[in-house]
Amino acid sequence: KAGVTQTPRYLIKTRGQQVTLSCSPISGHRSVSWYQQTPGQGLQFLFEYFSETQRNKGNFPGRFSGRQFSNSRSEMNVSTLELGDSALYLCASSRTLAGNYNEQFFGPGTRLTVL
Amino acid sequence: AQTVTQSQPEMSVQEAETVTLSCTYDTSENNYYLFWYKQPPSRQMILVIRQEAYKQQNATENRFSVNFQKAAKSFSLKISDSQLGDTAMYFCAFMKHFQGAQKLVFGQGTRLTINP
Repeated sequence: KAGVTQTPRYLIKTRGQQVTLSCSPISGHRSVSWYQQTPGQGLQFLFEYFSETQRNKGNFPGRFSGRQFSNSRSEMNVSTLELGDSALYLCASSRTLAGNYNEQFFGPGTRLTVL
Repeated sequence: AQTVTQSQPEMSVQEAETVTLSCTYDTSENNYYLFWYKQPPSRQMILVIRQEAYKQQNATENRFSVNFQKAAKSFSLKISDSQLGDTAMYFCAFMKHFQGAQKLVFGQGTRLTINP
């Protein structure tokens, strides 16, 4: 069974540009969560999508947005990039069966560098 | 809001030794999950062990075990017979009991180095 895949793996952008990152969950998983990892702030929750709806959102500015498609694939978008957006962006998927614990499986991440 | 604190930024031990990583957390929730994740240099986050707050028995996975003290809000990870492959960043994480949303709150991490 294929794991969580994220594309691209590495990305270099300049300030002011926008970027779109993609995450394909494990087959059968309907929940996709996004996390930002930086040396200073550590791992921070961005948002979670389930059945094409944003179900939970972290404390990030509106420049960070996301969406989920009917096949559960998810994208996140960052507009007007700032230097501080340089980070490893991790995606995690889970089955999300009601009432049960659902392990989150992480992808390898997308390393974004903003110059 | 929940917070997770790991007070040991770095640790280093010799191969085959036992090492304990500390974690404390703050929450007003009664039902929740606690996790230890491992992130090796490859950056792939891997679940090491999980503990349900309503279970008094400490979780164990082969060489990995936890000491869960709910009243003290403490959740430490013990690695026995450490191996070179255990070298990684270790993150303690908290998640509310499933209520229709998946959100992990992570600590700052402990960088563990196993020396030959």
